[in-house]
Amino acid sequence: ETGVTQTPRHLVMGMTNKKSLKCEQHLGHNAMYWYKQSAKKPLELMFVYSLEERVENNSVPSRFSPECPNSSHLFLHLHTLQPEDSALYLCASSQTPPGQGDIQYFGAGTRLSVL
Amino acid sequence: GQNIDQPTEMTATEGAIVQINCTYQTSGFNGLFWYQQHAGEAPTFLSYNVLDGLEEKGRFSSFLSRSKGYSYLLLKELQMKDSASYLCAVMDSNYQLIWGAGTKLIIKP
Repeated sequence: ETGVTQTPRHLVMGMTNKKSLKCEQHLGHNAMYWYKQSAKKPLELMFVYSLEERVENNSVPSRFSPECPNSSHLFLHLHTLQPEDSALYLCASSQTPPGQGDIQYFGAGTRLSVL
Repeated sequence: GQNIDQPTEMTATEGAIVQINCTYQTSGFNGLFWYQQHAGEAPTFLSYNVLDGLEEKGRFSSFLSRSKGYSYLLLKELQMKDSASYLCAVMDSNYQLIWGAGTKLIIKP
């Protein structure tokens, strides 16, 4: 059983659609993260939530909108995406707000294809 | 700018030893992480180094030299299940992880 669960695992959407990615962590952690992983590129940090407050927003386009209703759940709302947004979107959580030695635990990701 | 370099792909033989290198240039240093990621699966934590030297965990070891901005992951007695991508990440002065693009390791019988 994985401690971080992401749904859906695969998503195909048109550029005019609106969809949401969901992440749930069962580890009792206080920080959650969204990353984008493109082929042969480093993971790109998109958003960080610590104690349900957004603490990091790395110049992500407004067509991506995060939501963290509580410390166990994280959403990424998508609208009017572009084909270059096709990637694997990974959610992670960590026990404490980002600090030295803080280990992040990942979900298996949502493979997103934008047509 | 901040940069993490690691080889794109490596090939090794089952039962052998392989060393995956990682060099980094970051704004500050709060530790270096290695993760393993099988195709289509979540990255999983392997090791964390914050002080110089070698950390051993079973068949896997990780080494760090802060003065050289260098780390390696050493895998011994390779098994077919070790075929995966290995991700190097450094935590910078803002406690943000800076990631390498990953090394795809192919194990041949």
